[in-house]
Amino acid sequence: GAVVSQHPSRVICKSGTSVKIECRSLDFQATTMFWYRQFPKQSLMLMATSNEGSKATYEQGVEKDKFLINHASLTLSTLTVTSAHPEDSSFYICSAHRGYSNQPQHFGDGTRLSIL
Amino acid sequence: DQQVKQNSPSLSVQEGRISILNCDYTNSMFDYFLWYKKYPAEGPTFLISISSIKDKNEDGRFTVFLNKSAKHLSLHIVPSQPGDSAVYFCAAKNSGGSNYKLTFGKGTLLTVNP
Repeated sequence: GAVVSQHPSRVICKSGTSVKIECRSLDFQATTMFWYRQFPKQSLMLMATSNEGSKATYEQGVEKDKFLINHASLTLSTLTVTSAHPEDSSFYICSAHRGYSNQPQHFGDGTRLSIL
Repeated sequence: DQQVKQNSPSLSVQEGRISILNCDYTNSMFDYFLWYKKYPAEGPTFLISISSIKDKNEDGRFTVFLNKSAKHLSLHIVPSQPGDSAVYFCAAKNSGGSNYKLTFGKGTLLTVNP
């Protein structure tokens, strides 16, 4: 099956720090990658859609200057949480898509971000 | 407004029996549906999908049924095994959309008891 690697799996840092999370598709080229956030006992909430070589499309209510997304290649997207605060603490998950209709998204294992 | 609803937050079944997980949707533009399984502290794993041109898709122990008129789908697992214990998410997509976005339900925690 398709493999998506997300790193790091867990981050604990002080308030005001910027944190970068990487998402790599290891065995296929992902024209589109997605970034989600999950709160406890809630669904996956889409934050943004990232297409290789173009600007990310952010969902309503997601601050693009707070959550910087870069999709520089067909196998790598990064999410940077800038000047993180305790309310940014959450579980962040990426997914990758091959770009063909009716294909599933394949997910990374997520990053648990804890801001002190 | 929840466009994909999983009204049962949890389900408990005995090993060997059938597990039935339900999902309802409100957006009539959805035409592709997926089920994902998620263990704690891991990302969701794709299980099975169905296109709206079908009403059933089967893969081993997993079968998904789609009732378009009722805007309802269900995932059947038979026989259920303890390793199936996880959170199951239903997701839906509008294939006419341009960016492959999925809309997820809140998930159902399945516990299979030995």
